[in-house]
Amino acid sequence: EVQLLESGGGLVQPGGSLRLSCAASGFTFSSFSMTWVRQSPGEGLEWVSGITTAGATTYYAESVKGRFTISRDNSKNTLYLQLNSLRAEDTAVYYCARPRGSGWRYYFDYWGQGTLVTVSS
Amino acid sequence: EIVLTQSPGTLSLSPGERVTLSCRASQGVSSSYLAWYQQKPGQAPRLLIYGASSRATGIPDRFSGSGSGTDFTLTISRLEPEDFAVYYCQQYDTSPPWTFGQGTKVEVK
Repeated sequence: EVQLLESGGGLVQPGGSLRLSCAASGFTFSSFSMTWVRQSPGEGLEWVSGITTAGATTYYAESVKGRFTISRDNSKNTLYLQLNSLRAEDTAVYYCARPRGSGWRYYFDYWGQGTLVTVSS
Repeated sequence: EIVLTQSPGTLSLSPGERVTLSCRASQGVSSSYLAWYQQKPGQAPRLLIYGASSRATGIPDRFSGSGSGTDFTLTISRLEPEDFAVYYCQQYDTSPPWTFGQGTKVEVK
């Protein structure tokens, strides 16, 4: 059974940092690109970042480019998202999601339960 | 960036009714690279449909997707109590950013 388990969320002040983790199991993690998607309270879904299987290529939404860094450790079956220079508008539930498709044309077939990041003073 | 507009924003319906949800793209989505998700309160989104019309694993056949180009539809043939939720469309025609619609809420009348 595919499982994605996020952790690392919490309350942080504006300008602060957090590192989110996503522990994957039930599939060959190193064979899949991975992504992060977020959802602000009461709002819709926003794709945030993606990374290829070996971590050689990364993509970011314009709203987080230069502030967030995606990475992965295939030996630990874990995906990460480093959040720096956090703003109030980054407050959201952050989901780890497994993409399916090819050639960077991806939909998301499995999602974690999410971890809440709250940016507030 | 392709913008997806879903309509209506909210639908108030009764169990047993037929539901039709719309997703319109700001430019053509080639090869029907469009997916639909269901999200219930406090839960992660769940993939329903990909490729505009292919049901994901384990999705009941009362859910169906159709459309091409700029106009796509999710149909629930007969609403079950567990189908009351928010539904999102997502395009994946382009390299990132992949974009989602703003959602349609299906609520109990």
